[in-house]
Formats: sequence, structure tokens, C-alpha cells
Amino acid sequence: EVQLVESGGGLVQPGGSLRLSCAASGITFSSYAMSWVRQAPGKGLEWVSTISGSGGTTYYSDSVKGRFTISRDNSRNTLYLQMNTLRAEDTAVYYCAKDQGGVKSTWGQGTLVTVSS
Amino acid sequence: DIQMTQSPSTLSASVGDRVTITCRASQSISSWLAWYQQKPGKAPKLLIYKTSSLESGVPSRFSGSGSGTEFTLTISSLQPDDFATYYCQQYDSYSSGLTFGGGTKVEIK
Repeated sequence: EVQLVESGGGLVQPGGSLRLSCAASGITFSSYAMSWVRQAPGKGLEWVSTISGSGGTTYYSDSVKGRFTISRDNSRNTLYLQMNTLRAEDTAVYYCAKDQGGVKSTWGQGTLVTVSS
Repeated sequence: DIQMTQSPSTLSASVGDRVTITCRASQSISSWLAWYQQKPGKAPKLLIYKTSSLESGVPSRFSGSGSGTEFTLTISSLQPDDFATYYCQQYDSYSSGLTFGGGTKVEIK
């Protein structure tokens, strides 16, 4: 069974940084692209970023480009999201998801990031 | 970016009803459309991909159709477990961004 477990969320001040992790099990991790999707409180889903299985190709939404960096460690079956220069509008539950050609086939339970002073 | 517009935003229905949700893309996305179900406090769950392909384990009362810019999700006979929020998502191109519709909340009438 595929399991994705996010961690690293919490309260951070505007302008601060945070790194999220997503530990994967039950899959051949390096065979799959992985994505981050977020959901602001009471709002809809927003795609954030995707990384290829090898880690060689990355994509970002315009709203996070230049501030967030997606990466992965295939030896540790772990996906990361480094978030810098955080803003109040980045407050959301962040989900990692197994990505199959753009389709998010399996999701983690999410981790809450709150940006507030 | 490709914009995805879902309608209605809220839908009130009874158990046994046939329910249809529409998703419209701002430009053609061929058949690159997925549907997800989300219950309060839970992660989304994939229901349908490539417009009409049912994800493994998803009940056959769920179906999808459409192409180009107009798509629908149909629940043939609404069950108590189906009261949730549904999102469409286009995946035409990573380079131009992946986008979700605003969601449709299916409520008990």
C-alpha cells in the first residue's frame, strides 16, 4: 500500500522559511514524479510544484516561483519543499501527492503551514 | 494559465438522485481532465482521470465525459458516502501550470 506522510509544517513569521518533507513507502519512489498541492483554510486546491522521478526537471506555479524549491532524495524515499520569503497568503495545508502524468493518484494527509506574526 | 470553472458551486440533492457537475476550461485541454472527491478534514481522492477513466476501486456510479473545454462528472445514484466536495483538474501542460476548478460541494437536501 502506498503511504505518503508529510511533516515540517508549523507557525512561521512573514518573511521566514520552512522546509516540508514527505516520506514515501510502498512505491518505487524514483519511478514517479511527485507534487505539492496546497489548500488555504476554507478554500480550494492549488497546485504548487512538481518534480520528475530523477529530480532533473521541476515545475512551479507562478505564485511560488522564485521563493519555493522542490527537491527529492531517492535514496531516502523523501520529497521536500523549501519555502522561503513566506507570506500570509502561503498559509495552507500542504499535501504531497504521487504524480502520474499530471494526475495526483495518491495523496498524503497534509501538513499545516501558518504564516503569521 | 488555463482557468477551470466549475458549476454549480453548491448542489443540494437527495440519496438516489442523479447528480451532474460541470467543469469548463478556458481553452482546449483535449481529454486531460481529472476529478477528485474531498471530505472535510481529509485529503482529496482521485476518482476519474483522462476525462472518463475510472480509478481502481471507485464505484461505477461515478462517470465522466466531455472533451476540449466542456466536461461533466455524473453520479448516477447518489449515496450517503458521496456527500463531499468535488474538484476538477486540468493537466494539459506542466509548463503552463496545472489548475483546479473551484470545487462543487454536494450537500444533503
